[in-house]
Parts: sequence; C-alpha cells; structure tokens
Amino acid sequence: SQKIEQNSEALNIQEGKTATLTCNYTNYSPAYLQWYRQDPGRGPVFLLLIRENEKEKRKERLKVTFDTTLKQSLFHITASQPADSATYLCALEPTGSGGYNKLIFGAGTRLAVHP
Amino acid sequence: NAGVMQNPRHLVRRRGQEARLRCSPMKGHSHVYWYRQLPEEGLKFMVYLQKENIIDESGMPKERFSAEFPKEGPSILRIQQVVRGDSAAYFCASSSTRSQGFAMSEQFFGPGTRLTVL
Repeated sequence: SQKIEQNSEALNIQEGKTATLTCNYTNYSPAYLQWYRQDPGRGPVFLLLIRENEKEKRKERLKVTFDTTLKQSLFHITASQPADSATYLCALEPTGSGGYNKLIFGAGTRLAVHP
Repeated sequence: NAGVMQNPRHLVRRRGQEARLRCSPMKGHSHVYWYRQLPEEGLKFMVYLQKENIIDESGMPKERFSAEFPKEGPSILRIQQVVRGDSAAYFCASSSTRSQGFAMSEQFFGPGTRLTVL
C-alpha cells in the first residue's frame, strides 16, 4: 500500500546544531516533494519544493535532499534556533493525480530547539 | 494582501446538527482544496474545487459531506448530521494555477476551523 512516513517521535536538539528530519515514502513515484512548517493552532506554511530530477535544494538555513532510489527526502535546518520549533510536514503529489496539487501529507515530525 | 481566510475558527456542534465551514481563498486564486487533520495524523485531502466546479472529491466521505465553490462568495464545506468522529481541524488551501509538469503552484493554507462534536 502507499505510505508516506515521518518520524513520529519529537526531535529535540540544542540551539545552533543542525536538525535533520526524514520523510520516506513507498509505492509512490512523485514528480516532486514539498516541505511545510506547521505551528500549533495554525495552517501549514510552504517552505521548499524539490523536483524528482533535483538532488538538493537550499533556501537560507534550509536544505532538502531527494533520493528517488531510496524513496526518501531529508530536511535539514542548520544553525537551528528556538524559533524553528514547530512540526514539519512532508507532502507529495502522486503521479497520475491529474496534475492539480492533490497533496498527500505525512503526519509530521515535531522539532524542539532548546536554548 | 489578506491570506486565505477561514471561519469560524472554532465550531462546536451536537451530534446530528449541521456544520458549515467557510473558506475565502487568496485574492486572484481560483483553486481551492479542503483537507482534514485528525490529532497526531497528517492532513488528508478531501476535495479540490474550481469556481462552480468540483474537480476531485475522492477524499470526501460518500455521505453527509458536500462542498461548493460558487461564482460569488466563499467555498463552503458542509457536514450534515455530524458525528463525534467528524471532530477534527479542517484546513482550506488555495492556489493560483494548476500544476502542469514542473510548473507547480504553491498552496497557501488558511488557519483552519476546529470542529468539535459533542
């Protein structure tokens, strides 16, 4: 069956360290994968999109990798800050979905950055 | 430049009542998506609409749920005869264009409506 999995355990790290979050998927062949941030009581906010022909994408302190062989994306936050504490969601649009952004989301990983 | 607006933010209903959730997309956006999020779970796609058209409702329960996006006014997600299992956060997102190949359009999410069924 098709699955998109993120580590359900919260990730606790010290301020200034690099946070690495994992997203694995099975039985999908996505054309691209996205990462969102969600704060408690709020809607998700788009962060980064990476396409299947891209290995890596960067935006300021964020870096995303996409390995279509392993069926995995890694999301890194370098020089993490307490303000980075949130839940991070990965999402993909499965091929054959009509090309209209019908996103499948993982359950998210909660990141806590401690001063 | 207002973002996606949803109201009400919180809605309490008793079993058997109707719930109406409203979503006003960002200005200029003609594509609306509804998602449901249960506690500790990811967002689940429910329905995709364009103005006056339902494009994909494959994630909607077959009974009691309906959605519309009229020519004028907000998109409405309607849940009839609510049950406790309908308690969740319902998010609306909008985008300006349909993704075509690599021309992907970002989705902008509203703050959500938290529905509690007593």
